[in-house]
Amino acid sequence: DTEVTQTPKHLVMGMTNKKSLKCEQHMGHRAMYWYKQKAKKPPELMFVYSYEKLSINESVPSRFSPECPNSSLLNLHLHALQPEDSALYLCASSQDREVGAQYFGPGTRLLVL
Amino acid sequence: RKEVEQDPGPFNVPEGATVAFNCTYSNSASQSFFWYRQDCRKEPKLLMSVYSSGNEDGRFTAQLNRASQYISLLIRDSKLSDSATYLCVVMTGGFKTIFGAGTRLFVKA
Repeated sequence: DTEVTQTPKHLVMGMTNKKSLKCEQHMGHRAMYWYKQKAKKPPELMFVYSYEKLSINESVPSRFSPECPNSSLLNLHLHALQPEDSALYLCASSQDREVGAQYFGPGTRLLVL
Repeated sequence: RKEVEQDPGPFNVPEGATVAFNCTYSNSASQSFFWYRQDCRKEPKLLMSVYSSGNEDGRFTAQLNRASQYISLLIRDSKLSDSATYLCVVMTGGFKTIFGAGTRLFVKA
């Protein structure tokens, strides 16, 4: 069983909606990641938080807004998305080493209509 | 040139076969290397870390060649359950993470 949980599992939203994806890890890790994965493509890094501070923002459009309330939780706020943003959104965590192995949650499958 | 390159396959092998995947990376400052396995519509799962000395976990062996900038994964005695996409991952420091495109493996009875 994964120790990284994500909710919801599936999400359908319109282009004017505001929604949030949630991630929680139970391993005491201090780094958390958001990835986007399109069908038949590898995951692409979006954001990294280390010790609750944003370490990486890979030039992601502002309609995606990450938030790290504490070391166990990571949110991704969504607003005014486009149909091309439909994808699997994966959360991962790792220990505080900047090159440590990452452990993934099951993902949220997002469809933007 | 992509930062991390993998042969996308697919590799179609019979049960019991030995199969090897390679992955090349362009940044010589890369620090950590991993192999992940991803089943259809599932999340990537860590298979193993890759070290210069080579490491083995049961039927799986991983190698790192820093001089030639590639990593490899060898699967011996393939099982039907090994069918999946295998992703190599390279980290260059500062949490920067790059996935290879993935290699699809089909193991047939």
